[in-house]
Amino acid sequence: QQPVQSPQAVILREGEDAVINCSSSKALYSVHWYRQKHGEAPVFLMILLKGGEQKGHEKISASFNEKKQQSSLYLTASQLSYSGTYFCGTVGDNNAGNMLTFGGGTRLMVKP
Amino acid sequence: DGGITQSPKYLFRKEGQNVTLSCEQNLNHDAMYWYRQDPGQGLRLIYYSQIVNDFQKGDIAEGYSVSREKKESFPLTVTSAQKNPTAFYLCASSINSYNEQFFGPGTRLTVL
Repeated sequence: QQPVQSPQAVILREGEDAVINCSSSKALYSVHWYRQKHGEAPVFLMILLKGGEQKGHEKISASFNEKKQQSSLYLTASQLSYSGTYFCGTVGDNNAGNMLTFGGGTRLMVKP
Repeated sequence: DGGITQSPKYLFRKEGQNVTLSCEQNLNHDAMYWYRQDPGQGLRLIYYSQIVNDFQKGDIAEGYSVSREKKESFPLTVTSAQKNPTAFYLCASSINSYNEQFFGPGTRLTVL
């Protein structure tokens, strides 16, 4: 079942912060975050594992609430280069063979 | 340089014709995937393969076929049975189904 992302779209001014949420109805083993620029392939940002620590690098970080089956991506002091569509992907927490299932995406536009 | 390649970048096809999209990786990854992306939408899984000579249907396999005769290669055939094949096709690979996926640049297929 596809995870649900919110908001569907967000517009920011350079330097502002944003939070993108990803919610699943099933127990999760991991959550992946990707960013896709228009016309290009998605690029991996980070992965959060069940029982793992909050991940992050530079001004992009993420958290994973296992009990609520939710993850949030935090973009602080946004830059123009952050523009794109952000996808979360989830892997279920049951037998092996679960595939990554992507959410519908959140379109982020950062303006000068 | 290790990576994943797809060819061609753009492909035009007449209705009723089969067409094969190429995907090659030199990352020594066991798992490979094919996704379809329609404008403004997320990624939907067509087929995946976790090991050579084995593959499974994803969420939207009807009208598509694949083969995995070599670890490096996972070609996708879009058959005439696919009702609406015009889309952006992305190939990806990963060490296993739980790890991050690396995407190729994509093939944009247009049916005339």
